[in-house]
Amino acid sequence: KAGVTQTPRYLIKTRGQQVTLSCSPISGHRSVSWYQQTPGQGLQFLFEYFSETQRNKGNFPGRFSGRQFSNSRSEMNVSTLELGDSALYLCASSAGPKETQYFGPGTRLLVL
Amino acid sequence: GENVEQHPSTLSVQEGDSAVIKCTYSDSASNYFPWYKQELGKGPQLIIDIRSNVGEKKDQRIAVTLNKTAKHFSLHITETQPEDSAVYFCAASDPGGGNKLTFGTGTQLKVEL
Repeated sequence: KAGVTQTPRYLIKTRGQQVTLSCSPISGHRSVSWYQQTPGQGLQFLFEYFSETQRNKGNFPGRFSGRQFSNSRSEMNVSTLELGDSALYLCASSAGPKETQYFGPGTRLLVL
Repeated sequence: GENVEQHPSTLSVQEGDSAVIKCTYSDSASNYFPWYKQELGKGPQLIIDIRSNVGEKKDQRIAVTLNKTAKHFSLHITETQPEDSAVYFCAASDPGGGNKLTFGTGTQLKVEL
């Protein structure tokens, strides 16, 4: 079974731009969660989608948004990028609530 | 919300020795505690997890113990090998209905020859 895939793997943007990251979960998994990882703040939960509905949201500004499609693939969008948005963005998929989460390799975003 | 503390932040052991990493959590309603290993340039990889109805779980050289009363759980790695060198994260699930995990700050484990 293929693992979680994330595209692109690396991205460079400038302040004020917007970015869209994509995540394809493990086949059959319906839950997708997004996390931001930085050296200073560690791993922080962004949001979770299950069956195309946002089920949970972390403490991030409204510039961070996401969605999930009927095939369970998910995208997250960050608008009006700030330098502090530079991070590794990780996607995790699971079969359902309270099930094991499997992480993808992440998208490394650098904001200049 | 949930708060997870993890110690130590760095750990250096000799090959063949044991390594222990400890975490505490704040919300007594949390019931799922996974451990992840993250190597440079990769996403976190699940190595073992435990649910609150179990006190201990073992998988070959790796074991996790959970003390619900004290609200702490620990990762034990025996017979460490150089390939065990990585950053290890503990996490606790949000007591709500979703899959939100709150992570500890990580432990950089170095296994020296």
